[in-house]
Amino acid sequence: AQTVTQSQPEMSVQEAETVTLSCTYDTSESDYYLFWYKQPPSRQMILVIRQEAYKQQNATENRFSVNFQKAAKSFSLKISDSQLGDAAMYFCAYRSPVLTSGGGADGLTFGKGTHLIIQP
Amino acid sequence: NAGVTQTPKFRVLKTGQSMTLLCAQDMNHEYMYWYRQDPGMGLRLIHYSVGEGTTAKGEVPDGYNVSRLKKQNFLLGLESAAPSQTSVYFCASRRTRPYEQYFGPGTRLTVT
Repeated sequence: AQTVTQSQPEMSVQEAETVTLSCTYDTSESDYYLFWYKQPPSRQMILVIRQEAYKQQNATENRFSVNFQKAAKSFSLKISDSQLGDAAMYFCAYRSPVLTSGGGADGLTFGKGTHLIIQP
Repeated sequence: NAGVTQTPKFRVLKTGQSMTLLCAQDMNHEYMYWYRQDPGMGLRLIHYSVGEGTTAKGEVPDGYNVSRLKKQNFLLGLESAAPSQTSVYFCASRRTRPYEQYFGPGTRLTVT
């Protein structure tokens, strides 16, 4: 079974600074998808960014970018010019496009999350 | 376009009571999911559906049942609630591709 590990339970950054959130995952598959979701205090899960494993280019969405290291099974999220509205829980998630031979379930596998605090 | 909606937003049950959570999506998505989120944990998959009339078990299905009678609706049932089912429940849906899921606002359920 795939596992996703977020080793930083909490991170703090000054407003306008850059912060990087770490995520590692364990899989034996070569084709898969990775996501970062944001969960603010409203608890709504919001998609931040997506990365397809077959793409070598790192995904970017405005101030959010990823560092995808496939061989190392690492998928970190960089937030540039941090803003107060970025304060939230951030979850890394993994999805295989192909069900495993053992009949694995469809759906996303999530890490336990990183609580990001923005210091004004 | 409301996206994914969940009813109710909050609920308190006594042990042994039953209830149904309703998820509705207006994006014509084939796939729908139910997750639970416990403190200090990410979301864990309970059940999912790959189309109208189909359901399948996820990672933590025990104590829950689901039904997908209409494409836009996915129901999660608790037949006999237990305190261990106190959690926040999220519904999600997606197209065939790409694989990102769109989430509802969540339902906070407390079982006393």
